[in-house]
Amino acid sequence: QVQLQESGPGLVKPSQTLSLTCTVSGGSISSGGYYWSWIRQQPGKGPEWMGYIYYSGTTFYNPSLKSRVAMSVDTSQNKFSLNLNSVTAADTAVYYCARVHSSSSDARYFDSWGQGTLVTVSA
Amino acid sequence: DIVMTQSPDSLAVSLGERATINCKSSQSVLYASNNKNYLAWYQQKPGQPPKLLIYWAYTRESGVPDRFSGSGSGTDFSLTISSLQVEDVAVYYCQHYYSTPLSFGGGTKVEI
Repeated sequence: QVQLQESGPGLVKPSQTLSLTCTVSGGSISSGGYYWSWIRQQPGKGPEWMGYIYYSGTTFYNPSLKSRVAMSVDTSQNKFSLNLNSVTAADTAVYYCARVHSSSSDARYFDSWGQGTLVTVSA
Repeated sequence: DIVMTQSPDSLAVSLGERATINCKSSQSVLYASNNKNYLAWYQQKPGQPPKLLIYWAYTRESGVPDRFSGSGSGTDFSLTISSLQVEDVAVYYCQHYYSTPLSFGGGTKVEI
């Protein structure tokens, strides 16, 4: 059973870059078959899809964040990462990494999630 | 972009009673070529990530109790808990995957 675990700073200053990593265990990212996603959830709100990445490095981003977001993958360490630049207080949220059910079909729902990590943007 | 709207925001149901949550999409998420509705439901308990319950609008994920059922087509969907249990207290979200950007509803809190 695949497991995902987010890691990274819990506090980021305004205008700086938020960087998180998701470590995948119980399965290999490079085996293909899945997209790997970042989703965030601001307090009291529904989740917001940020984007996803394939093991080859192909990315799909939410247009609402496209100019600020970048995702990358490290297949040698079975990890994928998120960078969000020019953060403001509005980027304070719990950030989750998740597996998209299938890359070979159009079943783009999320069948495995990390526990999430709270990132606060504050000076 | 497709906007997902859930109702009600919250509901209180007695133990053993039925709970019904509604989700409406701003445009159809029914793909005509395969007659599938690109809609999923999740359950989120406090301090936990969302958990997939249902996909393709009515297919239960493995291990999900059969008291959870999904229905609807096109733009209007429902999640029903046929007999509410204590462990079902949570916030429930719908999500479309018809096109990018993927998006979720605002959530419905179910209480006893």
